[in-house]
Amino acid sequence: GQNIDQPTEMTATEGAIVQINCTYQTSGFNGLFWYQQHAGEAPTFLSYNVLDGLEEKGRFSSFLSRSKGYSYLLLKELQMKDSASYLCAAIRQNFVFGPGTRLSVLP
Amino acid sequence: GAVVSQHPSWVICKSGTSVKIECRSLDFQATTMFWYRQFPKQSLMLMATSNEGSKATYEQGVEKDKFLINHASLTLSTLTVTSAHPEDSSFYICSASPDWVQGSSVDSPLHFGNGTRLTVT
Repeated sequence: GQNIDQPTEMTATEGAIVQINCTYQTSGFNGLFWYQQHAGEAPTFLSYNVLDGLEEKGRFSSFLSRSKGYSYLLLKELQMKDSASYLCAAIRQNFVFGPGTRLSVLP
Repeated sequence: GAVVSQHPSWVICKSGTSVKIECRSLDFQATTMFWYRQFPKQSLMLMATSNEGSKATYEQGVEKDKFLINHASLTLSTLTVTSAHPEDSSFYICSASPDWVQGSSVDSPLHFGNGTRLTVT
């Protein structure tokens, strides 16, 4: 199968740091993407990992461990506008999304 | 660059009718496009992989006769919801990447259309 797991919901405070985890089955794996999606809108690309390690892009960073089938998205200096769903997607023969994590940023 | 256009943005149709949704890659060629549907507060569910010049690959549980996919050119894929019913009401969204190669994506994310909100009455 292509089981991808994420926590359903998370809450954090403005200005804080939050880590959103994603686990997946490792067979046939070719890479992992993170997307942000606001309600009623199309997903927007955040980050992409093919090799193990940390990729940093401003306030967003993503980490990958291929042997463990594990990734996380790190959001720093949280802003209210970061309240959204965060989706990880694993690439194999196609492009399948995880269930998404709804993040609520509180003042 | 890498813009994907989807049309219409929303559509309301009567039960039993068919609805066609278009997905175009505006500034790149896409041999592969992906079609997803999304119910409220749920994630994107991959319905099918659209392949230019050949049959689409449908995910398990998706009826190929109900959701007709045609990928007749390198810039256009269409999804037709046939004999629509109220339970087909959903958000349908397509995506493509200029660098997608079967089984991998070469350092390029998928780009999404803005989605089509279908309501069947």
